[in-house]
Amino acid sequence: DAMVIQNPRYQVTQFGKPVTLSCSQTLNHNVMYWYQQKSSQAPKLLFHYYDKDFNNEADTPDNFQSRRPNTSFCFLDIRSPGLGDAAMYLCATSRGQENEQYFGPGTRLTVT
Amino acid sequence: LAKTTQPISMDSYEGQEVNITCSHNNIATNDYITWYQQFPSQGPRFIIQGYKTKVTNEVASLFIPADRKSSTLSLPRVSLSDTAVYYCLVGDDSGGYNKLIFGAGTRLAVHP
Repeated sequence: DAMVIQNPRYQVTQFGKPVTLSCSQTLNHNVMYWYQQKSSQAPKLLFHYYDKDFNNEADTPDNFQSRRPNTSFCFLDIRSPGLGDAAMYLCATSRGQENEQYFGPGTRLTVT
Repeated sequence: LAKTTQPISMDSYEGQEVNITCSHNNIATNDYITWYQQFPSQGPRFIIQGYKTKVTNEVASLFIPADRKSSTLSLPRVSLSDTAVYYCLVGDDSGGYNKLIFGAGTRLAVHP
């Protein structure tokens, strides 16, 4: 049974055209995370929500925003994608702030 | 946040035991050591977590010496399907704010 679901798995957008990636979870976990992973690199945390509390990483560009309308869903909005934003975007959840995070399959974003 | 150092890559053969060592010299008192596995085009998957001594589950063992400045992930009798990137992370699992920082990871290649 899928626990962390990301849609779509592949997304193509044009340079500068806003795009939204979605994540949903069936685990009822408090915390949801968004990571960016570029080719052959490690995942990099962009931000996370603890319930409704939003925590942005200091080096996350303003171009990246997030919304969490309820416990189950979390969205990543890229307001003006650049070529450098092409990457795999991973959503993860955890119960509280434990080290065990459950990752979704990711959305691979291509910017043309 | 404690930084981790791992070998960039390792090679092994089917049926062998693989040991991947991670250094974390400035690990904090409340930090746990956690290992993740990532296959290409998938999100990372939690493997094992420990605080001290030895932890074993159905997938792997984790050996942590008394000074906790390093840890070793042991994969018994690897198969081709164990080819993946393995990440060692340290973080506070005691309920305080926990941010997982992924290092470069170790690319394990298992050969027939």
